[in-house]
Amino acid sequence: GNSVTQMEGPVTLSEEAFLTINCTYTATGYPSLFWYVQYPGEGLQLLLKATKADDKGSNKGFEATYRKETTSFHLEKGSVQVSDSAVYFCALTPNQAGTALIFGKGTTLSVSS
Amino acid sequence: EAGVTQFPSHSVIEKGQTVTLRCDPISGHDNLYWYRRVMGKEIKFLLHFVKESKQDESGMPNNRFLAERTGGTYSTLKVQPAELEDSGVYFCASSQDFATWEETQYFGPGTRLLVL
Repeated sequence: GNSVTQMEGPVTLSEEAFLTINCTYTATGYPSLFWYVQYPGEGLQLLLKATKADDKGSNKGFEATYRKETTSFHLEKGSVQVSDSAVYFCALTPNQAGTALIFGKGTTLSVSS
Repeated sequence: EAGVTQFPSHSVIEKGQTVTLRCDPISGHDNLYWYRRVMGKEIKFLLHFVKESKQDESGMPNNRFLAERTGGTYSTLKVQPAELEDSGVYFCASSQDFATWEETQYFGPGTRLLVL
């Protein structure tokens, strides 16, 4: 079946540190891959996505590359800010129209100044 | 353009009571999804509407949960009777076009349900 595994948190960093949140997936076919973020007190927001192998999604300084050979979609940011503190969810949709998202458990990131 | 809205934002009820959650999708979005996150676990799919029709309800946990989408606009999710394990955050999401699996889903802020 389809599943997403992401690193357990919480992740605690100092401002300007480098961030990596690992995400691997299991899927049949060619899924689309997503990172969603939930800031405190808010709903889920799409952070970035990639729809085919070797695509790189990027937004707000965050990047993730769709690696089919390693079935991974790791999230990275070169220099985190306090405002990046949030819960990050890796997710996929299988290659079917109108299919629901399959999420990982979420990783809580806390950035201190 | 207004985003996905959900009501109420929080609900605290006793075991055995009934609760109804509401979701208003982005105007013009045919697809509407319900998801749930139980404490510390994954966000899990509950069901998917295309307009007023249930496209996929494979994630509904049991028959205490009833979802409707009258007229293909807003949706309600009723839990009756509520049990302790129903506690969690219920998210609603909508997307525009059924024709492509690349369509982005936009999420509401969620309803936090606590069953005592």
